Amino acid sequence: DAGVIQSPRHEVTEMGQEVTLRCKPISGHDYLFWYRQTMMRGLELLIYFNNNVPIDDSGMPEDRFSAKMPNASFSTLKIQPSEPRDSAVYFCASTPRQDWGNEQFFGPGTRLTVL
Amino acid sequence: AQSVTQPDIHITVSEGASLELRCNYSYGATPYLFWYVQSPGQGLQLLLKYFSGDTLVQGIKGFEAEFKRSQSSFNLRKPSVHWSDAAEYFCAVGGGRNRDDKIIFGKGTRLHILP
Repeated sequence: DAGVIQSPRHEVTEMGQEVTLRCKPISGHDYLFWYRQTMMRGLELLIYFNNNVPIDDSGMPEDRFSAKMPNASFSTLKIQPSEPRDSAVYFCASTPRQDWGNEQFFGPGTRLTVL
Repeated sequence: AQSVTQPDIHITVSEGASLELRCNYSYGATPYLFWYVQSPGQGLQLLLKYFSGDTLVQGIKGFEAEFKRSQSSFNLRKPSVHWSDAAEYFCAVGGGRNRDDKIIFGKGTRLHILP
């Protein structure tokens, strides 16, 4: 298995632009998570999906952030408009079933820089 | 509310020396406890986890961790580090009997290895 795939690996954009981050979970994994990693706040859970349905988006920082999962093999995290404080590494992770004791399998991350 | 603290932001050890990374948690019951490792430019990978049973847990890459309920600690150890162990290490807590308790990650400890 190729593992969790994220694209792009690096994104540099200017303030005010729309940014779309993409994730392909491991096949057969029903749960998908989006995290944001910054020096100040560490690794934060933004949102997670079960069978393509958003379950908990309480970690999404504000309305500029949105996430979708149109099918079992693809999810997007969109920031519109982007701001410099959104600069971070964004990780996608997946796990086969609902149990917070399960190992989460992380993608390599997307490093976002907003100028 | 659950929380996890990694008191050391950076740790430097010599290759071949022993290692202990500290982790303290706050949780109302026995939680799931995890250690993940993040190598440069990569996503997080699970080293080991604990929920119940033997309080000394063996993981991959020669790591182990010991759960000490009285100290609310879950420290990670390795008897002899290798240069390839240079990475960032994250302790995490979550799950347990309350399935609504999402995983929370510590802010990480960056391990530097001296040749």
